[in-house]
Amino acid sequence: EAQVTQNPRYLITVTGKKLTVTCSQNMNHEYMSWYRQDPGLGLRQIYYSMNVEVTDKGDVPEGYKVSRKEKRNFPLILESPSPNQTSLYFCASSLWQGYGYTFGSGTRLTVV
Amino acid sequence: KQEVTQIPAALSVPEGENLVLNCSFTDSAIYNLQWFRQDPGKGLTSLLLIQSSQREQTSGRLNASLDKSSGRSTLYIAASQPGDSATYLCAVNRDDKIIFGKGTRLHILP
Repeated sequence: EAQVTQNPRYLITVTGKKLTVTCSQNMNHEYMSWYRQDPGLGLRQIYYSMNVEVTDKGDVPEGYKVSRKEKRNFPLILESPSPNQTSLYFCASSLWQGYGYTFGSGTRLTVV
Repeated sequence: KQEVTQIPAALSVPEGENLVLNCSFTDSAIYNLQWFRQDPGKGLTSLLLIQSSQREQTSGRLNASLDKSSGRSTLYIAASQPGDSATYLCAVNRDDKIIFGKGTRLHILP
């Protein structure tokens, strides 16, 4: 089944403890992206990647890192999480610009 | 800067009615527009994708239209059912990103 898989689905962590949220797609998509969703603010783009080893900042990149060493994987790294990064995170992929996006099921992160 | 607006923010209608959700965007230079459905606490499910050269797309009881020149799209849902209750998001794709509206929360009353 064609899909975007995120792990974990739920995560509670403490301030400052590094964490990684994984994202993997099995559709051979070139484009991958991370979003966060907050009440009243909607979905905002954190980082995106047009291809392997190519990443760029979205609208809210501060406090996040990404890497794209393989086409299928696009992990989101929080080096030192803070409570304002408590949010619902989504990974998405697309064959290319101009094509539709497929989203993962989301990761609900709570930083205490 | 591209802005996407969805009105109304919330809508309740009796089961069986036809309804229209609205989406407007400020910059008409888009690749495509996509409508998504999101159930509470869940991911986004793609409903319809309209390329910039297209006027509409249909899938079952759903029909989405696009008027790029006026910066508007509508999602028409025919014969609404309680299972249609969800938040509907529109998103425009341009350059390297997609910009989302904040969604319309739809509640179908049994």
